[in-house]
Amino acid sequence: DIQMTQSPSSLSASVGDRVTITCQASQNINKDLNWYQQRPGKAPRLLIYDASILERGVPSRFSGGGSGRQFSLTISSLQPEDSATYYCQQFDNVPLTFGGGTKVEIK
Amino acid sequence: QVQLVESGGGVVQPGGSLRLSCAASGFDFRIFAMHWVRQAPGKGLEWVAVLSRDGDREAYSGSVKGRFTISKDNSKNTLFLQMNRLTREDTGVYYCARDAAEYYYYINVWGTGTSVTVSS
Repeated sequence: DIQMTQSPSSLSASVGDRVTITCQASQNINKDLNWYQQRPGKAPRLLIYDASILERGVPSRFSGGGSGRQFSLTISSLQPEDSATYYCQQFDNVPLTFGGGTKVEIK
Repeated sequence: QVQLVESGGGVVQPGGSLRLSCAASGFDFRIFAMHWVRQAPGKGLEWVAVLSRDGDREAYSGSVKGRFTISKDNSKNTLFLQMNRLTREDTGVYYCARDAAEYYYYINVWGTGTSVTVSS
């Protein structure tokens, strides 16, 4: 199985800050990576697919990058509604696997 | 609008069985793959299973393979998850989810989840 490791596991930042979350795959997954946001008590929501393609309706302050084994999710200017847990997920092969999540809190 | 509504969750004893359902509406159920994803209390997301749009391919996580079966009824626009030999580690919220493709790619529609508690 492909293991996905996210870092940090949590972070606290101020409104307007630039925030970057990283995700590392245990093997090369090309660009077969998606990012999801999950607000407390809610279902997850797709943010980015194919490592860098923004899902329709997602604010442009979110961006994704990387390929191979190293990926990143960046929020260019953190907003109060971005308080959530973020997950990466690989779809290079089954079983599909999620990273452990990164909890983003607003200072 | 596009909607997924799960049902069938509840409390079950270890070793027991449960069948989850997911009613889909607002889209053509036959042309997308479907997933089950679960989340243990206070934990992260765990992918459980996927069924291709044609129903001819399926895959499972190692933790449920051989115990869970994913299936669907196109005539009723409904996805199922048959869960057997349940253990306490199967406790959590189970989400039904729609993929963007015919097998697996990215999940762009999620249900609100149904809660499963395995306890004696």
